[in-house]
Amino acid sequence: NAGVTQTPKFRILKIGQSMTLQCTQDMNHNYMYWYRQDPGMGLKLIYYSVGAGITDKGEVPNGYNVSRSTTEDFPLRLELAAPSQTSVYFCASSPRAEKLFFGSGTQLSVL
Amino acid sequence: AQTVTQSQPEMSVQEAETVTLSCTYDTSESNYYLFWYKQPPSRQMILVIRQEAYKQQNATENRFSVNFQKAAKSFSLKISDSQLGDTAMYFCAPNFGNEKLTFGTGTRLTIIP
Repeated sequence: NAGVTQTPKFRILKIGQSMTLQCTQDMNHNYMYWYRQDPGMGLKLIYYSVGAGITDKGEVPNGYNVSRSTTEDFPLRLELAAPSQTSVYFCASSPRAEKLFFGSGTQLSVL
Repeated sequence: AQTVTQSQPEMSVQEAETVTLSCTYDTSESNYYLFWYKQPPSRQMILVIRQEAYKQQNATENRFSVNFQKAAKSFSLKISDSQLGDTAMYFCAPNFGNEKLTFGTGTRLTIIP
């Protein structure tokens, strides 16, 4: 079972570059989430989606964008990368707003 | 506002001892779910245990159990007979019925051989 798949696992960006973090789930979950985890800290919610075509902001949405054109995919776009966006990014999904199934994370460094 | 507080940034215990991690929260909701997640050095997020607020009985999963005090808005995790593999960050994550699933700041637990 694939579960939640995130790509890439590691990435280094230069300041001002853009990139898209991919997230795909094969469990037909309606709810999907993007979190960031700074070193030694907890998870902060960036964006979430309750179904295809519906997205909403979390705690720390600035500098990011998302889309949800299908149930399976929930990509996170970083525009004009900044050092403050250096973090580990987790995608997660849920059949409803309950237990989360996590991807393995993306380590992003902005230099 | 709904908040989650883990007041113990770090803890360490000897192997085979029992340890309790605390979590308090604030909400006006009456029906909700509470979760503890574990994050070992591998970085993977692993569900440890789940509690439904409408259930008075505390959840138990093998060596892991919770002490859920709804009136006090407290949800502590007890790990019995601790093992080296329990070394990890532990996050309390309540779901108060909206879609914004928030996490506590975490407790770094170290099991000493």
